[in-house]
Amino acid sequence: DTAVSQTPKYLVTQMGNDKSIKCEQNLGHDTMYWYKQDSKKFLKIMFSYNNKELIINETVPNRFSPKSPDKAHLNLHINSLELGDSAVYFCASSQGPTSGTSTDTQYFGPGTRLTVL
Amino acid sequence: GNSVTQMEGPVTLSEEAFLTINCTYTATGYPSLFWYVQYPGEGLQLLLKATKADDKGSNKGFEATYRKETTSFHLEKGSVQVSDSAVYFCALSYDKVIFGPGTSLSVIP
Repeated sequence: DTAVSQTPKYLVTQMGNDKSIKCEQNLGHDTMYWYKQDSKKFLKIMFSYNNKELIINETVPNRFSPKSPDKAHLNLHINSLELGDSAVYFCASSQGPTSGTSTDTQYFGPGTRLTVL
Repeated sequence: GNSVTQMEGPVTLSEEAFLTINCTYTATGYPSLFWYVQYPGEGLQLLLKATKADDKGSNKGFEATYRKETTSFHLEKGSVQVSDSAVYFCALSYDKVIFGPGTSLSVIP
């Protein structure tokens, strides 16, 4: 059983389009995240949700909108895609929120490689 | 703010060589420290962690010790294998998780 799954694995689209990436975790975790990894492998947090509530929203363009229908799912919708959005997007989950000194491990999905042409 | 610095790669080693990947951090408060590994085409997975000063995390022959006095968490392995070729990320957790830039390791036979 896959712990954290993402769909699709690859996404190729034209500039200006709108697309969504879906994420599901079956670990029973309360917290889910979206990360963006650029071509140099640099990993940056975008959003974090705890029990469907947004708790971290980094400086991400408002073209990116996360949605958490329940605590096992966190989807990412991107409007008006730009060339600079090309990257690998990772979903992750952890038992609790990273408040204070959290010792929780993050569990990552396999990633979605987004290419904007 | 909090940050993590890692030695720049790529690092290329021969099989059975000794590995050290340096990691230093700056943080307010007392973070937990982690090493994650990313194999080609996959997501990150936890390699080891340490949650307080002087703790040693270890897994699969890798180890790292939480050094508060030098704010470091260097990753070491005595004898690397080809299968260790991957990107290694040092990370800290305090209010949120911050990852270092990653160090790419290639092990050649």
